[in-house]
Amino acid sequence: EVQLVESGGGLVQPGGSLRLSCVASGFTFRRYEMNWVRQAPGKGLEWVSYISTGGSTIKYADSVKGRFTISIDNAKNSMYLQMNSLRAEDTAVYYCARVHEGISSSALDYWGQGTLVTVSS
Amino acid sequence: QSVLTQPPSVSGTPGQRVTISCSGSSSNIGSKTVNWYQQLPGTAPKLLIYSNNQWPSGVPDRFSGSKSGTSASLAISGLQSEDEADYYCAAWDDSLDGVVFGGGTKLTVL
Repeated sequence: EVQLVESGGGLVQPGGSLRLSCVASGFTFRRYEMNWVRQAPGKGLEWVSYISTGGSTIKYADSVKGRFTISIDNAKNSMYLQMNSLRAEDTAVYYCARVHEGISSSALDYWGQGTLVTVSS
Repeated sequence: QSVLTQPPSVSGTPGQRVTISCSGSSSNIGSKTVNWYQQLPGTAPKLLIYSNNQWPSGVPDRFSGSKSGTSASLAISGLQSEDEADYYCAAWDDSLDGVVFGGGTKLTVL
């Protein structure tokens, strides 16, 4: 069974940092492209970042570029999102999501349960 | 303001057919495939339709997708109470070099 489990969310002050983790199981992690997607409370979905298999290609939304860093560790079947210089508008549930193999990078076929990040003083 | 435009809400009665539109541009829907997601209250999104009109395993064929030019649509036939959810369209955008989502459409089953 495919599973994606996020962790690392919590309450952080503006300007602070957090590192989110996404641990994958039930599939060959190194073969799949991955994304982070967030959802602010009561709002819609917002794409955050993409990473290709092996990590050779990385993309970010303009809203997080220069502040967030995506990475993967195939040995640990894990993806990470290092978030620095956090702002109130980064408050959201953060989901990791797997790209449907061989399909567009916007076709996300499995999602984690999400981890809540709250940026507030 | 989302890059892809969806109606904020639609409604229908059980058994009815409803459609949800998604409007984009040449840099996304016009040149890329469209995917649809269903998000039930309090849960993570679920892939409903990919590559404009393909079903992931386990998705009933009451749900169907189509695309024409820079617009796409999701149709739900034989509406059921459990279809009450938020629905999002998504596509890759070449200009923004990332995934873009619609603002979401809340489906209410009356």
